[in-house]
Amino acid sequence: RKEVEQDPGPFNVPEGATVAFNCTYSNSASQSFFWYRQDCRKEPKLLMSVYSSGNEDGRFTAQLNRASQYISLLIRDSKLSDSATYLCVVPPNTGNQFYFGTGTSLTVIP
Amino acid sequence: EAQVTQNPRYLITVTGKKLTVTCSQNMNHEYMSWYRQDPGLGLRQIYYSMNVEVTDKGDVPEGYKVSRKEKRNFPLILESPSPNQTSLYFCASSRTGPGLVEKLFFGSGTQLSVL
Repeated sequence: RKEVEQDPGPFNVPEGATVAFNCTYSNSASQSFFWYRQDCRKEPKLLMSVYSSGNEDGRFTAQLNRASQYISLLIRDSKLSDSATYLCVVPPNTGNQFYFGTGTSLTVIP
Repeated sequence: EAQVTQNPRYLITVTGKKLTVTCSQNMNHEYMSWYRQDPGLGLRQIYYSMNVEVTDKGDVPEGYKVSRKEKRNFPLILESPSPNQTSLYFCASSRTGPGLVEKLFFGSGTQLSVL
């Protein structure tokens, strides 16, 4: 089983829609999680951090479900500029590797 | 401005010709790492370094070398590049490595093509 798994999509949604992505992780001891946004061929940039049950920043909400070992990213009122790939990142408690999902592709359509 | 500087942005080379991709950070981070990104495979770690003179293999280290002689610099060396190393490469740094609150800062990437 992979350390981190994401649905690759693509998700194609109209402007204004609400969309949610999930990311499952295998290490039940993981304490913190990140969502990164990556535009085509550009570097990933931090979107949100999740340390406890969840986090909210404007139109973006990240939630953590420890029992089922997944984190979700909810985007409300989608904008064209939200079109990107969203990466789920899990730093392990021990060891020195950050684990990345393969990313979920989102396209917001006018 | 806090940043990770990676050069060059684009590089085309031929099989067997040694090359170096440079990476430098100005945030006094202990942890630095290199990743390659290929379609459908996501980001895969090549090497990482927890501090000066401390380097370790990631998931895909074959064909690569690194060094960490100074805290700010972490170059990636391909002694004899091959076409299967054609990829998008990212350098990243973090304050103290994987932990409760440490996030990764990424360089702008290097698109390498080996002919």
